[in-house]
Amino acid sequence: DAMVIQNPRYQVTQFGKPVTLSCSQTLNHNVMYWYQQKSSQAPKLLFHYYDKDFNNEADTPDNFQSRRPNTSFCFLDIRSPGLGDAAMYLCATSRDIEGNQPQHFGDGTRLSIL
Amino acid sequence: GQNIDQPTEMTATEGAIVQINCTYQTSGFNGLFWYQQHAGEAPTFLSYNVLDGLEEKGRFSSFLSRSKGYSYLLLKELQMKDSASYLCAALDSNYQLIWGAGTKLIIKP
Repeated sequence: DAMVIQNPRYQVTQFGKPVTLSCSQTLNHNVMYWYQQKSSQAPKLLFHYYDKDFNNEADTPDNFQSRRPNTSFCFLDIRSPGLGDAAMYLCATSRDIEGNQPQHFGDGTRLSIL
Repeated sequence: GQNIDQPTEMTATEGAIVQINCTYQTSGFNGLFWYQQHAGEAPTFLSYNVLDGLEEKGRFSSFLSRSKGYSYLLLKELQMKDSASYLCAALDSNYQLIWGAGTKLIIKP
């Protein structure tokens, strides 16, 4: 089945220690998104790629970076995680940005900071 | 500013009907999505409305009124597995999704 896969499901890192979360998709979608979601809050868009074009949200901290080496893979790098970065990180894809294309989500990576 | 409002929590009884409301204020409008999110899991797509009216999909229906900036999700014949958060999200003029915080639906036997 075509899907969005995130690894790992659970990630524990130390305060200040860089961490990378990964996402892959078999849907061949053009757009890939990274969201941060804290408990009982709306998903917060960090950035998205339309093909190779990177779009950073204005309020996304510089501590967060992303890479999309090819259509199928996208990575979220947190350079120096702080306690406030503990959250669920969701990767999503959509065929296109415009129109009624729903976003398809991976199962998420829950990040804990020690 | 852009904003989505939906109730924080609702409780309903198994087998009953529940309506979850959502109001939105966005810069332009290109449609409204409803997603279901079980605790600790990713959101899954339920419905999309861009024209006024009711769209029915099995036990779930979604309604939109563009003039009122209002939508609702109607769940019929509630089952225990419907216990989840339901997120409303509106597409603005730049096709950016504006998300609500979700309504946690608790189903009681």
